[in-house]
Amino acid sequence: QKEVEQDPGPLSVPEGAIVSLNCTYSNSAFQYFMWYRQYSRKGPELLMYTYSSGNKEDGRFTAQVDKSSKYISLFIRDSQPSDSATYLCAMSVNTNAGKSTFGDGTTLTVKP
Amino acid sequence: NAGVTQTPKFRILKIGQSMTLQCTQDMNHNYMYWYRQDPGMGLKLIYYSVGAGITDKGEVPNGYNVSRSTTEDFPLRLELAAPSQTSVYFCASGGLAGVDAGELFFGEGSRLTVL
Repeated sequence: QKEVEQDPGPLSVPEGAIVSLNCTYSNSAFQYFMWYRQYSRKGPELLMYTYSSGNKEDGRFTAQVDKSSKYISLFIRDSQPSDSATYLCAMSVNTNAGKSTFGDGTTLTVKP
Repeated sequence: NAGVTQTPKFRILKIGQSMTLQCTQDMNHNYMYWYRQDPGMGLKLIYYSVGAGITDKGEVPNGYNVSRSTTEDFPLRLELAAPSQTSVYFCASGGLAGVDAGELFFGEGSRLTVL
């Protein structure tokens, strides 16, 4: 079993829909949780970063961490075609984000 | 703002050949990383460095070598290329403190095919 499991997708939604992207994990030592967005043929870029449990909101994006269930989510409201990308969750036990364990990614397509 | 620059963007190698992937960052970050990303998969850490002169192995180091002689540069060397090394390689740099703790800056990737 992988340490981080991400809903595989692909996911296709109409413009304006609410999108939910999810990851589960098995290592209870994870404390830092990240979401990266990766456009086709580009490097990942950090979208959201949270520490421990709770919610964090940034514009149309909300990251949610439930450490008791070992479950994290990224919600995208009012999705736009420009949100079409692969989303990677990542988790680490300390502040060395580069040593994070990454999920395999969920590819999202938002149709106009 | 250049950020993290990787060269080459594409390369085809024959089995047994060697090559170096170059990575340069202009953000004065101490931490730098090399990952590989296979199709439909997440990132796997190959090597990382916490500063000039200091490197350490990641999850999948076999078949690769690195060096870090300056803060800016972190080249990845492939010796005796094998088809299993066909992948997209990403270099990243990052900080550690406070709100920057989770932010990695990635290059655009180097697509390597070994035939």
